[in-house]
Amino acid sequence: EVQLVQSGAEVKKPGESLKISCKTSGYRFTSYWIGWVRQMPGKGLEWMGIIYPGDSDTRYSPSFQGQVTISADKSISTAYLHWNSLKASDTAMYYCARNGGTQWGQGTLVTVSS
Amino acid sequence: VVMTQTPLSSPVTLGQPASISCRSSQSLVHSDGNTYLGWLHQRPGQPPRLLIYRISNRVSGVPDRFSGSGAGSDFTLRISRVEAEDVGVYYCTQSTQFPTFGQGTRLEIK
Repeated sequence: EVQLVQSGAEVKKPGESLKISCKTSGYRFTSYWIGWVRQMPGKGLEWMGIIYPGDSDTRYSPSFQGQVTISADKSISTAYLHWNSLKASDTAMYYCARNGGTQWGQGTLVTVSS
Repeated sequence: VVMTQTPLSSPVTLGQPASISCRSSQSLVHSDGNTYLGWLHQRPGQPPRLLIYRISNRVSGVPDRFSGSGAGSDFTLRISRVEAEDVGVYYCTQSTQFPTFGQGTRLEIK
C-alpha cells in the first residue's frame, strides 16, 4: 500500500526557517515525481513544485520560485519543503502528493504568527 | 497551463445528476499520446482524493456513478445520481506539463 506520511503541525514566527517532511512507502520513490501543494485557508489547491528523486530534477511554479526549496533524500524515501524566512502569508495547509494527484499525504498545517 | 472550471458552485438535489466542466488553456495531449487530466474530490478537513485519471479512468473503489469524458482541452466530470457523501469541492488537474489545478467547484445539496 502506498503511503505518504507528513510531519506534524508547526507554529512559527515571521523570519524563522522551517523544513517539513513527507515520508513515503509502498512504491519506488526514485521513479515518480512527487511535489508539494499549498492550500491557504478557505482557498483552492496550488502546486508549488515537484521533484524527481531519481536525479533530483526539481521544478517550481513561478509563484513559488525562490520562495521555497524542495528536496528529497532517496535513502529514506522522504521529500522535504523548506523555507529560509517565513512570512505570515505562508500560513496554510501543505500537502505532499505524487504527480497526477494519485496519492496524498495527510497535510501539515503551518501557522506563521508573531 | 491554466485550468478553468465551470460552474464554481453547483447546488444539486439528491438523486439528480451533476456535471462540471474543465477547460485548459492548451491541449493536454502529451507527446506520449496520453492525456494527463484527472479529477479530485476534497471534503472539508481532508486531503483531496483522486477519482478519475487520464480523462475517464476511475480509481479503484470510486463508485460508477462518477464518469469522466472529453479530449484535447475540454473535459467533463459527471455524477449520474448525487448522493449526500458527494458534497465537497471538485478539482480538475493536469500533469501533461508542470501540474496545475482548476479553481474548484463546490457541490452542495439543495
